[in-house]
Amino acid sequence: AQTVTQSQPEMSVQEAETVTLSCTYDTSESDYYLFWYKQPPSRQMILVIRQEAYKQQNATENRFSVNFQKAAKSFSLKISDSQLGDAAMYFCAYHNQAGTALIFGKGTTLSVSS
Amino acid sequence: DADVTQTPRNRITKTGKRIMLECSQTKGHDRMYWYRQDPGLGLRLIYYSFDVKDINKGEISDGYSVSRQAQAKFSLSLESAIPNQTALYFCATSDVTGVGPREQFFGPGTRLTVL
Repeated sequence: AQTVTQSQPEMSVQEAETVTLSCTYDTSESDYYLFWYKQPPSRQMILVIRQEAYKQQNATENRFSVNFQKAAKSFSLKISDSQLGDAAMYFCAYHNQAGTALIFGKGTTLSVSS
Repeated sequence: DADVTQTPRNRITKTGKRIMLECSQTKGHDRMYWYRQDPGLGLRLIYYSFDVKDINKGEISDGYSVSRQAQAKFSLSLESAIPNQTALYFCATSDVTGVGPREQFFGPGTRLTVL
């Protein structure tokens, strides 16, 4: 069975600084998709970034980028130029190709201070 | 208007009561999902449906049932609620591209408390 591990329950960063959130996963499949979702205090789940396992290039979305290491089964999220609005819980998620295995990590709570 | 809506947004009920949580979507997606979120445990999949006639159990389906009334509607029922079903429940939808599933679009969540 697939698993997703977020080893940092809490992280903190100063405004304008960079922070990296860690995620590792375990799977025997070769084709899958990885996601980072953000959950602010409003509790709405918001997609941050998506990575297809068959793509070697790391995904980027403005200030958000990932370091995808397929062999190591690692998928970390880097937030550059952190803003107060980035404070939230972040979830790493794994989806298999068929969409039948949908696994979320336990989340990392990010606090941003001014 | 929101693309994925859930009703009710908050509900308090008593042990043994039957509860239905409803989800509607206007995104035109075929795939719909129900998750529960507990503090420190992340989101866990309860049921998912790829179309009206295709319903599948997820990781934690015991104590729950679902109904896919139409492409746009997917309901979750707790036949006899118990306190450990107190949680935040999310409905989600997704589409599929030619190469695989896209991201999930979540509803606003339903906070359920079972006393």
